[in-house]
Amino acid sequence: GAVVSQHPSRVICKSGTSVKIECRSLDFQATTMFWYRQFPKKSLMLMATSNEGSKATYEQGVEKDKFLINHASLTLSTLTVTSAHPEDSSFYICSTTPHTDTQYFGPGTRLTVL
Amino acid sequence: SQKIEQNSEALNIQEGKTATLTCNYTNYSPAYLQWYRQDPGRGPVFLLLIRENEKEKRKERLKVTFDTTLKQSLFHITASQPADSATYLCALAADSNYQLIWGAGTKLIIKP
Repeated sequence: GAVVSQHPSRVICKSGTSVKIECRSLDFQATTMFWYRQFPKKSLMLMATSNEGSKATYEQGVEKDKFLINHASLTLSTLTVTSAHPEDSSFYICSTTPHTDTQYFGPGTRLTVL
Repeated sequence: SQKIEQNSEALNIQEGKTATLTCNYTNYSPAYLQWYRQDPGRGPVFLLLIRENEKEKRKERLKVTFDTTLKQSLFHITASQPADSATYLCALAADSNYQLIWGAGTKLIIKP
């Protein structure tokens, strides 16, 4: 399967700061990447679909100005949580698909906002 | 609205027995269904995919069934081992763009 990396794996920040999370597809060119958020014991919640070279498509209820997504290359997508607040604390996971039915996930980023 | 339910939040099974996890869905006719494994603090890992025209699929000790009439998939792990302990997620194909709709997962605990 495809290999996807995420950085950082864990970040703690103060309220009001911005945090950037990187998602890299290491062994294939990913024109499409997905960003998810996951709360404890809850389902994966799709936040947005990131397409290389175009604007991301955000799911209903997800603030695009709060969660900035940039997919500038075929191997890298970034999610920036702007002006983070404690309620943004969560587990953020990206995935890619080589345009097959399967998604390949990164290891996730645990964000804690103090 | 589309809804996916996995049978229980947690399932305790004795080592060596068969673990059976359930995924039920409503208001939906997916082209395929997938099962993933997720370990604590990690991203999900793909296990198996089964299409609407397939009744059963196997991979080593894993078996998945798909009943489109009952709108249900069963995921079996035979000869279970403590290393099989994890959360198992089912996911259905969304209508477009390779998106998936996810169940909340079942935490499987295999006791030695």
